[in-house]
Amino acid sequence: DTGVSQDPRHKITKRGQNVTFRCDPISEHNRLYWYRQTLGQGPEFLTYFQNEAQLEKSRLLSDRFSAERPKGSFSTLEIQRTEQGDSAMYLCASSLTGQAQSPLHFGNGTRLTVT
Amino acid sequence: AQSVTQPDIHITVSEGASLELRCNYSYGATPYLFWYVQSPGQGLQLLLKYFSGDTLVQGIKGFEAEFKRSQSSFNLRKPSVHWSDAAEYFCAVSGNEKLTFGTGTRLTIIP
Repeated sequence: DTGVSQDPRHKITKRGQNVTFRCDPISEHNRLYWYRQTLGQGPEFLTYFQNEAQLEKSRLLSDRFSAERPKGSFSTLEIQRTEQGDSAMYLCASSLTGQAQSPLHFGNGTRLTVT
Repeated sequence: AQSVTQPDIHITVSEGASLELRCNYSYGATPYLFWYVQSPGQGLQLLLKYFSGDTLVQGIKGFEAEFKRSQSSFNLRKPSVHWSDAAEYFCAVSGNEKLTFGTGTRLTIIP
């Protein structure tokens, strides 16, 4: 169990640029979640996958955001035309089954700064 | 909709003193409740969870929490804090497939 891995740890980008983050879950976990955390707030749910299927998307996930999990393993989160309001910590988490049976294991996050 | 309230934004306690962090939840049925801890620049680590059964649950690092349905609360406690407990603590509720977090309580430990 190597834990949930996120890359990069930090990303600084100019407004209007596109960015992509990667998450590698714990290998046997079939659920993968993306959360966003701003300063002084708790993590907010963005979306989640079961295997390669994206099962739910939050209203927070605007059209500029897209997430994929093409082979049911790693996932990517892309933000197009970044805005300063996108600056946040993006957290990935994985679990073995539904939340009730298997609590989420979180990665260390990707901190995005939009200048 | 499910929600969590953590009324204390920041708590300061002396090392060796007892600790209680408050959490109130809103959910229509029996919730699944969690406490997570987050150190600066890090992800979240699960401290403990409540699904059913005994309302007093034990977690890692000497933490415990008590589920009180009548008060819709799930407060976190520790009898004697250590300097290494300084961190941000998040209560979370889940009734379906996703966690809803509170805004967190930042814990500062003074010598």
